[in-house]
Amino acid sequence: DAGVIQSPRHEVTEMGQEVTLRCKPISGHDYLFWYRQTMMRGLELLIYFNNNVPIDDSGMPEDRFSAKMPNASFSTLKIQPSEPRDSAVYFCASRPTGGRTEAFFGQGTRLTVV
Amino acid sequence: QQPVQSPQAVILREGEDAVINCSSSKALYSVHWYRQKHGEAPVFLMILLKGGEQKGHDKISASFNEKKQQSSLYLTASQLSYSGTYFCGTESPAGGTSYGKLTFGQGTILTVHP
Repeated sequence: DAGVIQSPRHEVTEMGQEVTLRCKPISGHDYLFWYRQTMMRGLELLIYFNNNVPIDDSGMPEDRFSAKMPNASFSTLKIQPSEPRDSAVYFCASRPTGGRTEAFFGQGTRLTVV
Repeated sequence: QQPVQSPQAVILREGEDAVINCSSSKALYSVHWYRQKHGEAPVFLMILLKGGEQKGHDKISASFNEKKQQSSLYLTASQLSYSGTYFCGTESPAGGTSYGKLTFGQGTILTVHP
């Protein structure tokens, strides 16, 4: 398996524009996580899914953020409208069900909102 | 609620030891440790489950005290390759609505100099 795949790797957009980040988890993994990394907050959990169902979105900062998982092999994180304070690295991670299972991270998307 | 890590940063000379602590205000099922190199994705080091578990990985080991809801990562005889940001991730006990949720701390930046 190629691991967790995120696209794009880098995104530069203007304030007010819509941004869509994409993630393909590892096949067979039941859990998918979206994290935002900043110096101040470290790895902040935004939302996670189990079997394509959103379980906890309490980390989503505002209504401008939304996430979907239409099937087991694809998820999106959308920001609309984007703001400069959304600039960060966004990671997607997946893990299988089980008590001793690690999470596998994608390479991340570096988002810059100008 | 993110776990709290301490210290925020550590600077070492090669061969010196370091301890990174992770504490949670909630009951824990497991603690995960990851290391992230600059510009890369976090990489899994080890998982510790309930039961006062201790694990080792080369010269990196960890302990988990579930009564105190704390975990510590021990780096012995540090090498240049140990430099990076270390994250602890915590998972709540099974049966709750947040089972499977993996929440990370703000990270500890470790720098090893020759």
